[in-house]
This record gives sequence, structure tokens and C-alpha cells, in this order.
Amino acid sequence: EAQVTQNPRYLITVTGKKLTVTCSQNMNHEYMSWYRQDPGLGLRQIYYSMNVEVTDKGDVPEGYKVSRKEKRNFPLILESPSPNQTSLYFCASSKLAGVPDTQYFGPGTRLTVL
Amino acid sequence: AQKVTQAQTEISVVEKEDVTLDCVYETRDTTYYLFWYKQPPSGELVFLIRRNSFDEQNEISGRYSWNFQKSTSSFNFTITASQVVDSAVYFCALSPAGGTSYGKLTFGQGTILTVHP
Repeated sequence: EAQVTQNPRYLITVTGKKLTVTCSQNMNHEYMSWYRQDPGLGLRQIYYSMNVEVTDKGDVPEGYKVSRKEKRNFPLILESPSPNQTSLYFCASSKLAGVPDTQYFGPGTRLTVL
Repeated sequence: AQKVTQAQTEISVVEKEDVTLDCVYETRDTTYYLFWYKQPPSGELVFLIRRNSFDEQNEISGRYSWNFQKSTSSFNFTITASQVVDSAVYFCALSPAGGTSYGKLTFGQGTILTVHP
């Protein structure tokens, strides 16, 4: 089954404790992206990746890191989480075939930083 | 810079009513794509439709229809004969078709639709 998976789905942590949210897709998609969803703000892009070893900042990259060592994986790293990073996070992927294709989303990760 | 505005924060209707969700966008790109996504209470994001800026034909899919008007920069979504299962948050989104922001998806704030039995 074609899908985007994220782990963990729920996470409660404390300020300053490094964490990684994993994202994996099995569709051989070139493009992957991370978003955060906050009430009243919709989804905002954190980072995106056009292909392996190619990443770029979205609208709200501060406090986040990403890496794209393999096509299928795009982990989101919070080196020193803070309470304002409490949010619902979505990973997405799409096939980059010359035109912007539809982005398919993972199930979401609800992160709480105390 | 791209911007998507969904002016209706919340809409409440009774089952079988028709409901229209508004979406207005701003972009300097001459070619772009518009999307609608649905987020049911379970939280996942479900793709509904993609429309490119060259195609202003309206589209109908069952009870769903979309009205794209380039002249007013609007891409409105209508649900006919609404059902309780349509209760969800609906997002409109915009993506350029090229240029330096290629691949960047900008979302509106979302409209919470509640359909009462």
C-alpha cells in the first residue's frame, strides 16, 4: 500500500531534550516536506527537499533541522525543543515530474513540549 | 509571496443544506496549482482536488463541485446536500508551477465545517 508513515504519532517531551520525528514514504517520490499545523494558522511549511541531499527552508524553519540521505526518509530533528514547538506535524511527499504533483500526507505527529 | 485566505473560520449547517467554502489567493506567478484538502476529526489530510491555472473549467465530483475564477482569484468549493460525514476542516492551498518557489505549498487557515443531523 502506497503511504507516508510518521513516527511517533504522539510525543510528550520536555524543553531542551533533543528529539527526532521520522518520516518514510514507499512511493519513490522525489519531493518531501514537513509542515506544522497550529489553530487559526493552517499548515505552514518548515523544510522541504527536492531530492536526496537537497533541502531548503520553508516559512518557519527556526528551531528545526532535516536531512535527506535516502530518497524514502526525511527525518525532522528538534535539537532543543521549546514549548512554542508544541504542534501537530505532518510529513508529505510527491512525485516531482516536471509539474507540481499532488502532495500526499502522513498521519501526523502530535508533539507536546513541556 | 503567495497567500491563501479562507475568510470563513467556521460554518455550521443542517444536513441536506448546500454549503460553499470560499478561497481567495494571491500570487505573482502566471502558472500555478490550486488544491483542496479535507481534514476529518481523525486528523489525517485527504486530497480532494488539484486545478491548474490554465484550466478554468468547473469540476463536479458527486456532491462536490469547484468553481475556479481566475479574474477574481478565487477557487470556491461547494458541497451539495451536505451530510454529517462532511464535517471536517477544509484547507485550500496554492503551489507555483515553477520558479524559485517550485514545490512550495501555501495553505489557507482552514474552514471548520460542522454538519448537524
